Amino acid sequence: KAGVTQTPRYLIKTRGQQVTLSCSPISGHRSVSWYQQTPGQGLQFLFEYFSETQRNKGNFPGRFSGRQFSNSRSEMNVSTLELGDSALYLCASSPGQGYETQYFGPGTRLLVL
Amino acid sequence: QKEVEQNSGPLSVPEGAIASLNCTYSDRVSQSFFWYRQYSGKSPELIMSIYSNGDKEDGRFTAQLNKASQYVSLLIRDSQPSDSATYLCAVKRLANSGYALNFGKGTSLLVTP
Repeated sequence: KAGVTQTPRYLIKTRGQQVTLSCSPISGHRSVSWYQQTPGQGLQFLFEYFSETQRNKGNFPGRFSGRQFSNSRSEMNVSTLELGDSALYLCASSPGQGYETQYFGPGTRLLVL
Repeated sequence: QKEVEQNSGPLSVPEGAIASLNCTYSDRVSQSFFWYRQYSGKSPELIMSIYSNGDKEDGRFTAQLNKASQYVSLLIRDSQPSDSATYLCAVKRLANSGYALNFGKGTSLLVTP
């Protein structure tokens, strides 16, 4: 089975722009979670989607949003980018809600200038 | 108060020794605990999960959980240079109608030949 894929892998944006990141979960997995990883804050939970519905959201401003499609693929969007949004954005999938194991994708490294 | 705490390290151990990694958490109702390994520039991969008090062994890895003390640890026996990585402790919590993993900031392990 192919693993979790994320596109793009690297991205450079400037302040004020917006960005959309994509995540394709492992085939058959229906739950997708997003995390932000920075050296200072570590891995922080952004949101979780299951069956096209956001089930849980972390403590991030409304500039961070996401969605999930019927094929379980997910996108996250960050509007009005700030320098502090520079981070590695990781997507993780699991077969369904409540499943213990999450499988991480390679991540998208975003640099905001 | 940070919900999941780990010493940042680096923890340096000689090859063949036992590496001991520790983690404390603040949410008493947490039920599921995980150790992830993250190599530099890579995404986290699951090493161990533990749900009950006591020890759980898998090859060279042993996870230990003490819910009364809100403490979880990972022992790596016969440490190898390939074990050099950042080890992330994660605690699963139920929030809203979904689940989220709270991660510690990780402990950097260096195994010296």
